[in-house]
Amino acid sequence: DTAVSQTPKYLVTQMGNDKSIKCEQNLGHDTMYWYKQDSKKFLKIMFSYNNKELIINETVPNRFSPKSPDKAHLNLHINSLELGDSAVYFCASSQEAGLGDIQYFGAGTRLSVL
Amino acid sequence: LAKTTQPISMDSYEGQEVNITCSHNNIATNDYITWYQQFPSQGPRFIIQGYKTKVTNEVASLFIPADRKSSTLSLPRVSLSDTAVYYCLVARGGDMRFGAGTRLTVKP
Repeated sequence: DTAVSQTPKYLVTQMGNDKSIKCEQNLGHDTMYWYKQDSKKFLKIMFSYNNKELIINETVPNRFSPKSPDKAHLNLHINSLELGDSAVYFCASSQEAGLGDIQYFGAGTRLSVL
Repeated sequence: LAKTTQPISMDSYEGQEVNITCSHNNIATNDYITWYQQFPSQGPRFIIQGYKTKVTNEVASLFIPADRKSSTLSLPRVSLSDTAVYYCLVARGGDMRFGAGTRLTVKP
């Protein structure tokens, strides 16, 4: 069983569209994250949820909206997609939001906006 | 948050020991030091974590001096499959910020 799974793996869409990426973890962790990795390979945290509550909300456009229906799921919805949104998006989870908690990452979703 | 600085890239040959050093001058008392490995088209994967002195697991060793302002990831006898990007993180709470990482290339 995959510990942290994201769908879809690839997403190709037109500018202006709305899309969602889903993430599920079966590790029983309390905290989940979304990261964006751009073409230069910098990995930047976007959001973090602990027990369905938002605890980290970096400076990202409000077109990005995370939703956590339960602590095992953290979905990312993106409105009005722009060219600059093209990147690989990673979901991750950790046991807690505590000191130095080890994060487990999904395989990533490669988003291409045309 | 403590900012980390690592070399952008390193080259090595199969069978050699590789040491990657990370600087984190502003590390706080409660911060842990964690290293991740990322292969192309995959998410980062945990390698090792430490707080002080030396930590060793089946994959790597982590050396942390007494002042904790730097740390060194040691990979013994690397193989071609160790070619990857290695990230050093200094974590506080759930806020883990990745630096640019070190791209390690292992050559035959």
